[in-house]
Order: sequence, then structure tokens, then C-alpha cells
Amino acid sequence: DQQVKQNSPSLSVQEGRISILNCDYTNSMFDYFLWYKKYPAEGPTFLISISSIKDKNEDGRFTVFLNKSAKHLSLHIVPSQPGDSAVYFCAASPSGSARQLTFGSGTQLTVLP
Amino acid sequence: DGGITQSPKYLFRKEGQNVTLSCEQNLNHDAMYWYRQDPGQGLRLIYYSQIVNDFQKGDIAEGYSVSREKKESFPLTVTSAQKNPTAFYLCASSIEFSTEAFFGQGTRLTVV
Repeated sequence: DQQVKQNSPSLSVQEGRISILNCDYTNSMFDYFLWYKKYPAEGPTFLISISSIKDKNEDGRFTVFLNKSAKHLSLHIVPSQPGDSAVYFCAASPSGSARQLTFGSGTQLTVLP
Repeated sequence: DGGITQSPKYLFRKEGQNVTLSCEQNLNHDAMYWYRQDPGQGLRLIYYSQIVNDFQKGDIAEGYSVSREKKESFPLTVTSAQKNPTAFYLCASSIEFSTEAFFGQGTRLTVV
């Protein structure tokens, strides 16, 4: 039973437009959420996070939104750039500890020039 | 440069053989982790270690073993008991009580 779900395996967006990546979770004990970005043949790198006491966190072109009642979070990238093309993983933890991270299956984002 | 180094990048193994994947970090992190990634699935935790000479099973530990003799090193052995070992293996580390994990580049293991 997947506790963190990314239902869209892939997403294509035109350069300069907004990319919206979605993630749903089922475990109400999760209180910390992260997004990782992964290029081919490399390990994931941390992108942005949000704790459950907030509903939005922004870092440059990247914004994460958290809707606790819907158990849904999303990552917005504005404006999208070709270098953003990668697999994006959503992850969640109930404890603030990496040993309890649960990852989604990832969404391949392709930004078209 | 601080980081996590996994080796080798690609590994082929014959059925029935044990194989050890290397993971070294110079970030001075106490905690280290091994994950497995299969197509269409998220990363799944195999083993983790919070401190030297101590490690705990993750969600899918069967058929794997680890050791943590040094803070910098956390090798993973894929044993012949692992029924479906072909996968992409990722090592990570973090400071204690942090959710942010730093990952190595991964090892792709193929059983032939």
C-alpha cells in the first residue's frame, strides 16, 4: 500500500510556463514533506521542503503548497526551464527524521524549449 | 569536496553470487541509509545506521546485509538469498534528526 503517491508518471511543459507536480499521501501522521530532483545516472538532490504547520514555502522559482485536509501537496516551478527536466520525487516523514522518509514513485518532467 | 561516493556505478553479478556495494561519505554524518529503486516505484529503505557499529532493518531487508565499522563507510552486501536483486541502489546520509538526506550517484546492479 503506497502511502505517498505521485499519480502522473510524466509531465511535459513548454519553457517559460508553469510546471505543477502533484503528490497525495494517506498517512495523517506525516508532518514533514520534501521534494527531491533526480537527473539520469545521478542520485536525488534535495530541492525544497515544508512542515505541516505551513501551507506554502517558496524558494526562488520553486514553491511547495500543502493542503492538509486533502492530504495533497504540489510543487510549482515558475518559469520552467529546460534544465528543470528531471524526475521529481515527493517524500514524507512523520518524525522529522530521514530514516522514516517514504518516497513517491516520481514524476518525469520534460521542459520543451 | 564533501559528498557521498558509491562504487561501482554499474555491476553485473551471476546468479547465486554475493556482491558488495561500496558507500563512503565525508560529510561527517552520523546516519547512513541504503535504498533500492525499481521502475515505477519510489525509493524503498533496505537498511539504515544511526551510529557506528549499529544498524537497523528497513522495509525490505531480506536478502541483504550491512556493516558500519567506520563512520564514513556503510557497505551493502546483496546475498544470493535476495530473490530479485536487479535494481538501482542508492546510498544516502544525513545528520541526526534531519529529514534532508544526501544521496550518492547510485549503483545499478544487474544479475545475469
